[in-house]
Amino acid sequence: GAVVSQHPSRVICKSGTSVKIECRSLDFQATTMFWYRQFPKQSLMLMATSNEGSKATYEQGVEKDKFLINHASLTLSTLTVTSAHPEDSSFYICSARTGMGHVGAFFGQGTRLTVV
Amino acid sequence: AQSVAQPEDQVNVAEGNPLTVKCTYSVSGNPYLFWYVQYPNRGLQFLLKYITGDNLVKGSYGFEAEFNKSQTSFHLKKPSALVSDSALYFCAVRDGDNFNKFYFGSGTKLNVKP
Repeated sequence: GAVVSQHPSRVICKSGTSVKIECRSLDFQATTMFWYRQFPKQSLMLMATSNEGSKATYEQGVEKDKFLINHASLTLSTLTVTSAHPEDSSFYICSARTGMGHVGAFFGQGTRLTVV
Repeated sequence: AQSVAQPEDQVNVAEGNPLTVKCTYSVSGNPYLFWYVQYPNRGLQFLLKYITGDNLVKGSYGFEAEFNKSQTSFHLKKPSALVSDSALYFCAVRDGDNFNKFYFGSGTKLNVKP
């Protein structure tokens, strides 16, 4: 099946710094990618839809200036957590759809962000 | 609005026994239903989906799910559990208006003991 790769898998950063997470579709082009956040023992919450060549669409309650999304190419979307705080510590997962037959989504392996 | 409920936080079964992980849904229009599995510190892996057709859907790793329209349920099943099946399972429904949007249940942790 289609492969979505996310990097890094784990990152620890200091409060006030910014962290960039990459999401790549390895064997297909993804005009749209999605960023989810997962709190411990909770489900995935859609944060935003990343659109290639245009601005991301954020879900209600998600701070655009806090979570910067860039979809520079058909195979790469990045999520930057700016001025990170401990409450931003979470598991972030990206996904993409191939748009070719498969009606589900393919997910990256996730990034565990810990802000200290 | 679309929503999915997984009533059990955790399911414990012995290896070799059948397992069921429950999911109920609420959608407007036709349901597009999915099951995903998540291993620790990993992303989600697709198991199976129901779009239309037979109510019993077969998926990866010997899993299957039964779509029941009258009960609005989509329970995940496996005839004989393996220890390696221990993971977090998510039921999801795709938004009827925005096919790119998925709504996930809260997840059920499956523990299979030897």
